[in-house]
Amino acid sequence: GALVYQYPRRTICKSGTSMRMECQAVGFQATSVAWYRQSPQKTFELIALSTVNSAIKYEQNFTQEKFPISHPNLSFSSMTVLNAYLEDRGLYLCGARPGGQDTQYFGPGTRLLVL
Amino acid sequence: QQKVQQSPESLIVPEGGMASLNCTSSDRNVDYFWWYRQHSGKSPKMLMSIFSNGEKEEGRFTVHLNKASLHTSLHIRDSQPSDSALYLCAASIGGSGTYQRFGTGTKLQVVP
Repeated sequence: GALVYQYPRRTICKSGTSMRMECQAVGFQATSVAWYRQSPQKTFELIALSTVNSAIKYEQNFTQEKFPISHPNLSFSSMTVLNAYLEDRGLYLCGARPGGQDTQYFGPGTRLLVL
Repeated sequence: QQKVQQSPESLIVPEGGMASLNCTSSDRNVDYFWWYRQHSGKSPKMLMSIFSNGEKEEGRFTVHLNKASLHTSLHIRDSQPSDSALYLCAASIGGSGTYQRFGTGTKLQVVP
């Protein structure tokens, strides 16, 4: 079956430092990977969408300079939160989609705590 | 920027009852809707998607879509305590490979 793993599951970083998180699709080829943040207030924000053979598209309040994403192959994506501050706290979810399908499979998320 | 509104924010229904959740998009270009369920501490799992006007049923779950009003609703009949979760609606322009933007969710609690 289709599975999505995320690593780490939970991380704590000091304010102003950076943190990298990974997303791995298993059992299918993820032609698109979307990164989301679910905040402590439970709002669910799309950060960016990465599609194979296309440029990564960032949402209005998110930038490549702050959230650089790498999507080197059809099973792996990583995102870094640079200079993390309190407002970056939350659960970071990756949603991976097999080519030609509407279904999006979510990983368990990386919970980021910023001190 | 497209906005997806969900209502109510929270809902309590008795076991065996009907739960009705609503979702509306403010972007007239949206043509795909998804419903996800997220149990506490877990990642969202897709329940159903719909892009045609009308109704789609899968077991106890029925989804309606009115494309003219960009409104979709999810109905859960014979609700069970295990249905207690956060229900998220997502909308996109087009299907596969496109952005899904999410609403803030409806927290459903089914009480015995």
